Amino acid sequence: GAGVSQSPRYKVAKRGQDVALRCDPISGHVSLFWYQQALGQGPEFLTYFQNEAQLDKSGLPSDRFFAERPEGSVSTLKIQRTQQEDSAVYLCASSLDRAGNSPLHFGNGTRLTVT
Amino acid sequence: AQSVTQLGSHVSVSEGALVLLRCNYSSSVPPYLFWYVQYPNKGLQLLLKYTSAATLVKGINGFEAEFKKSETSFHLTKPSAHMSDAAEYFCAVSDRMGGGNKLTFGTGTQLKVEL
Repeated sequence: GAGVSQSPRYKVAKRGQDVALRCDPISGHVSLFWYQQALGQGPEFLTYFQNEAQLDKSGLPSDRFFAERPEGSVSTLKIQRTQQEDSAVYLCASSLDRAGNSPLHFGNGTRLTVT
Repeated sequence: AQSVTQLGSHVSVSEGALVLLRCNYSSSVPPYLFWYVQYPNKGLQLLLKYTSAATLVKGINGFEAEFKKSETSFHLTKPSAHMSDAAEYFCAVSDRMGGGNKLTFGTGTQLKVEL
């Protein structure tokens, strides 16, 4: 069965470039999350969508980070003017319901390297 | 605010030996606690979760964890390690009060299994 799909799997960007990371959640999943995982660390929450509504963006580290989910399915995480500290694995997760009772399903992540 | 602390960033065991990975939590509300496993270049896979139904939780691949409120712990165990258990393990805590199933992760424990 189809799981959470993320693309690209790897992205190398030069400092100052803009990048866009895509997440295709499991079909029908209401909730979608983005996490950032730095090398040797646990994932850290970035932002949360319920359908197309971005209900929590408290984890976005700066205004260079922007996420959207315009039709309530596919989501894009955009990072403008990338910096070296943005190098990390970006994980997307989705879950079936909005109440937090169903488990999170994670994608394999996008590894971003900023040179 | 919620947090988890994983004691020991690296644990090494012999094949067939007991696996014990430690996790302590801090939460101002009754917590939901999780253990995830991450294989290289893969996303996170849920091993088990505590949702207050039972203090001893059994998960996949022979793992289990016991919730001890008095010790604020949720340690992960497996009676007999297998080579395929070598991976990174993350403990996580969730607050059900709104925000879906937003997770706060520990820094992870890398499990090595030796012959």
